[in-house]
Amino acid sequence: AQTVTQSQPEMSVQEAETVTLSCTYDTSESDYYLFWYKQPPSRQMILVIRQEAYKQQNATENRFSVNFQKAAKSFSLKISDSQLGDAAMYFCAYRASYDKVIFGPGTSLSVIP
Amino acid sequence: GAVVSQHPSWVICKSGTSVKIECRSLDFQATTMFWYRQFPKQSLMLMATSNEGSKATYEQGVEKDKFLINHASLTLSTLTVTSAHPEDSSFYICSASAGTHNSPLHFGNGTRLTVT
Repeated sequence: AQTVTQSQPEMSVQEAETVTLSCTYDTSESDYYLFWYKQPPSRQMILVIRQEAYKQQNATENRFSVNFQKAAKSFSLKISDSQLGDAAMYFCAYRASYDKVIFGPGTSLSVIP
Repeated sequence: GAVVSQHPSWVICKSGTSVKIECRSLDFQATTMFWYRQFPKQSLMLMATSNEGSKATYEQGVEKDKFLINHASLTLSTLTVTSAHPEDSSFYICSASAGTHNSPLHFGNGTRLTVT
């Protein structure tokens, strides 16, 4: 069965600094997709970034980028120039083709002014 | 684009009553909808997957007779919590997928259910 692990329950970062959130997953599939979702205190789930497993190039969305290591089954999220609005729970998620999305346990990110 | 509307955003009901939560995709056709439950400070737990026009697929441990899911159209899925009990109090979130294999999920705003 597929599993998603986030080993950092809590992280903090100084405003304007860079932080990296870790995620590892386990799967026997070769074709799948990975996502990072943000959940602020409003509890609205917001898609931050996504990565197709067949793509070697790491995805980037403005201040957010990923380090996708397929062989190591690792998918970390880097947030550059952290802002107060980045404070939230961050969930790593996995989806095999046409299958359900599995979420990791989450990392609570605090941004220190 | 890709807006999912979930209603109500919060509801309080008495034990033994039933509550219906609606999830609508407003600007796309959702071939698949997912229902999640989230406890405080925890991750999203998948309850069931519903496909338009067919029976929902429930995750292990989820009572299908208590959590009735209907996906009658490509834009609407409903979750009915039947004979609610205080332990059913939780945050319920629906999400929808447009159906392509790499589609991310688009989430509703969630429903906070409190059973007294």
